[in-house]
Amino acid sequence: DGGITQSPKYLFRKEGQNVTLSCEQNLNHDAMYWYRQDPGQGLRLIYYSQIVNDFQKGDIAEGYSVSREKKESFPLTVTSAQKNPTAFYLCASGLGVGTEAFFGQGTRLTVV
Amino acid sequence: GENVEQHPSTLSVQEGDSAVIKCTYSDSASNYFPWYKQELGKRPQLIIDIRSNVGEKKDQRIAVTLNKTAKHFSLHITETQPEDSAVYFCAASKKSDYKLSFGAGTTVTVRA
Repeated sequence: DGGITQSPKYLFRKEGQNVTLSCEQNLNHDAMYWYRQDPGQGLRLIYYSQIVNDFQKGDIAEGYSVSREKKESFPLTVTSAQKNPTAFYLCASGLGVGTEAFFGQGTRLTVV
Repeated sequence: GENVEQHPSTLSVQEGDSAVIKCTYSDSASNYFPWYKQELGKRPQLIIDIRSNVGEKKDQRIAVTLNKTAKHFSLHITETQPEDSAVYFCAASKKSDYKLSFGAGTTVTVRA
């Protein structure tokens, strides 16, 4: 199934709570990415990581945090500081610069 | 940072006709330009890509052209079929950075 797994598929949280989205890959990819997908706005980059213990902010990092303690894992935490967290979140991984990015199935987060 | 703009946002074509989607990028250092297709309810998947040392690339009914001087690239789908109905995303990245920036997407509908 592409070797990149996101869980859960659907997530509901109360406003003000932090929530962590899981992303795991067994493709031995160095690069991992988190995107947010909203209708009409495409895929907006939240964070990306080139290597273990290193990550960079994307275009909309405010209110989010990540870690990259293992090559296989790149969890995303949506904090209470994110003003509009309800969205579809996609994780991707790739070998690196100029190579195909493989996407997970996504997590739909709803904050009520 | 890189800014990728994509047009049109929606495109409706008669089955058998051609479809063209255009993207522009801002960073002249960008050198890798992939196109992804996202069918309804599914993850984005790479359909074709082009690098800056090539002006055109074809794969059966799809082709991509790149104009480095004007900083724009286009996706061409010929003899469209109902299964071509999907959201298409262009993206750009550069050699020195793992960052992969996407356009806002084009929803293509092929009318039977």
